[in-house]
Amino acid sequence: RKEVEQDPGPFNVPEGATVAFNCTYSNSASQSFFWYRQDCRKEPKLLMSVYSSGNEDGRFTAQLNRASQYISLLIRDSKLSDSATYLCVVNSRNAGNNRKLIWGLGTSLAVNP
Amino acid sequence: GAVVSQHPSWVICKSGTSVKIECRSLDFQATTMFWYRQFPKQSLMLMATSNEGSKATYEQGVEKDKFLINHASLTLSTLTVTSAHPEDSSFYICSARGFRAMNYEQYFGPGTRLTVT
Repeated sequence: RKEVEQDPGPFNVPEGATVAFNCTYSNSASQSFFWYRQDCRKEPKLLMSVYSSGNEDGRFTAQLNRASQYISLLIRDSKLSDSATYLCVVNSRNAGNNRKLIWGLGTSLAVNP
Repeated sequence: GAVVSQHPSWVICKSGTSVKIECRSLDFQATTMFWYRQFPKQSLMLMATSNEGSKATYEQGVEKDKFLINHASLTLSTLTVTSAHPEDSSFYICSARGFRAMNYEQYFGPGTRLTVT
């Protein structure tokens, strides 16, 4: 089982639609969770951190369910510019006990006019 | 947010040669830098973690003698791909984390696209 799993999509939605992405993680000791956005052939950019109580940033809402080891991202009123790959990321520790980020494969979103 | 640069942004080299990629934090001191690799349609894979002034910690399966990492200062880390082969062609991305980084946030460089012919 992969440490971080996401539905790769692609999700094709019309402008203005609401779309939700899900992510599960296997390491119950993970403590920090993030959603990143990656455009084609570019580096990933932090979209938002995910907090236990859930958090919202404009049209974006992130939720965390520690019991189910599940993270979600909801995008309301989709814009064309939201088209990208959304990466679910959790922290972990490597062999040197350094914290490291574990990346999901990403979910591809295409918002159509 | 913090700025991280990478140089070069793309490079084409012949098989057997070595390529050095630089990663710089421009407006903060990076105590830890990370090197990632991403193949087409794959997720980012951490190659190694380096702390300033100490040896890098490599992830399982990453050859430390092939991918040489130097983190000599708080603003510069370099990755050298030695004796590159076509299978090393990939998108190499560095990220940096500074003092008092909140929630372990990392700042990413724009990446270096390496093509080995």
